[in-house]
Amino acid sequence: GAVVSQHPSWVICKSGTSVKIECRSLDFQATTMFWYRQFPKQSLMLMATSNEGSKATYEQGVEKDKFLINHASLTLSTLTVTSAHPEDSSFYICSASGWQGRGEKLFFGSGTQLSVL
Amino acid sequence: DAKTTQPPSMDCAEGRAANLPCNHSTISGNEYVYWYRQIHSQGPQYIIHGLKNNETNEMASLIITEDRKSSTLILPHATLRDTAVYYCIQGDDKIIFGKGTRLHILP
Repeated sequence: GAVVSQHPSWVICKSGTSVKIECRSLDFQATTMFWYRQFPKQSLMLMATSNEGSKATYEQGVEKDKFLINHASLTLSTLTVTSAHPEDSSFYICSASGWQGRGEKLFFGSGTQLSVL
Repeated sequence: DAKTTQPPSMDCAEGRAANLPCNHSTISGNEYVYWYRQIHSQGPQYIIHGLKNNETNEMASLIITEDRKSSTLILPHATLRDTAVYYCIQGDDKIIFGKGTRLHILP
């Protein structure tokens, strides 16, 4: 089946630094990718929708200057957490929209655990 | 906001069928019902989806009521590895997660 690769799987950084997370669709072209964040024992919260070649659409309450999204190609979207602070510590998950023969429409990466010290 | 409602948790004995209900009373004609599950600290895994007909694949069966306002995910022979949070989602272009059902498989 389709594979979405997310890198890194975990990262620890100092407060004030920026962290970039990559999301790649390995065997299909994804015109749309989604970014989610998840706090412990909570559900996934949609942060933004990323469309190849255009600006991302952010959900209400998500700061676009804080969470920079770039979707420069049909197989790669990146999320940069700028000037990270401890409250940004979370599990970040990307997903890519594609279509396979068996009808699976959304494929998820394995997630990135971000810890900001 | 999520449009579906699910029980927060369920238990199922190993080897028995696990039946997970979901209400999606506001579903529109072109919205699918999707089921995903998430095992701790991993990305969600696709299970099955359907529009109005019942569906079956190697993982599960999906039973959708005729009025499409509710559905049931059936794991025919639950194993300990099926312990996860199961999410029922109605949607088309955007997948919005609710709180899901935490399924515990009891040995």
